[in-house]
Amino acid sequence: SQQGEEDPQALSIQEGENATMNCSYKTSINNLQWYRQNSGRGLVHLILIRSNEREKHSGRLRVTLDTSKKSSSLLITASRAADTASYFCATDAGTSGSRLTFGEGTQLTVNP
Amino acid sequence: ETGVTQSPTHLIKTRGQQVTLRCSSQSGHNTVSWYQQALGQGPQFIFQYYREEENGRGNFPPRFSGLQFPNYSSELNVNALELDDSALYLCASSWDGAGGRETQYFGPGTRLLVL
Repeated sequence: SQQGEEDPQALSIQEGENATMNCSYKTSINNLQWYRQNSGRGLVHLILIRSNEREKHSGRLRVTLDTSKKSSSLLITASRAADTASYFCATDAGTSGSRLTFGEGTQLTVNP
Repeated sequence: ETGVTQSPTHLIKTRGQQVTLRCSSQSGHNTVSWYQQALGQGPQFIFQYYREEENGRGNFPPRFSGLQFPNYSSELNVNALELDDSALYLCASSWDGAGGRETQYFGPGTRLLVL
């Protein structure tokens, strides 16, 4: 079963605009990770935020985590056509190994 | 590049057959996880191996089995294939140690089609 739910399911923006994707989850977590997937290929790790962190940056990416609301957001600033991909949040509940529970993803399209 | 490789990239099988998918982890990683991703959905956790022992299993039947070898390679075996087994199969390697869990690095996947 999916723990996370991404919102929106699909997002279409113009190059240079910012893109924000949201993720909600149901159980307590050890950390939350965001991944990118191009055209049904392998997942590329973008950023990991631990449960005791509230915000993290990596290049054009900014991730926030609100454990009280069980939600996270991924902001991509100054988007590029190459950012077109599916984005998934994945939670690590910290039980029985480091299994990840994924949401169903947000399909981002950045138009040139 | 994550340093995780999978083979084959694509595979076509018929219902009832058996399949073995292979993964080579990053050097030094002691944990490998396997995921199934159906079209249009997020990956679902199948199971995880830590130091060659199964260390957690998702909601998959026993006909899904695995092995992890000392040389950082691993296998996913699926017996009695069903049409619904058609999916992208992803392996991910990571280092799990006393310092905590690290990032999982995914391979490019094997796309399995069951006819």
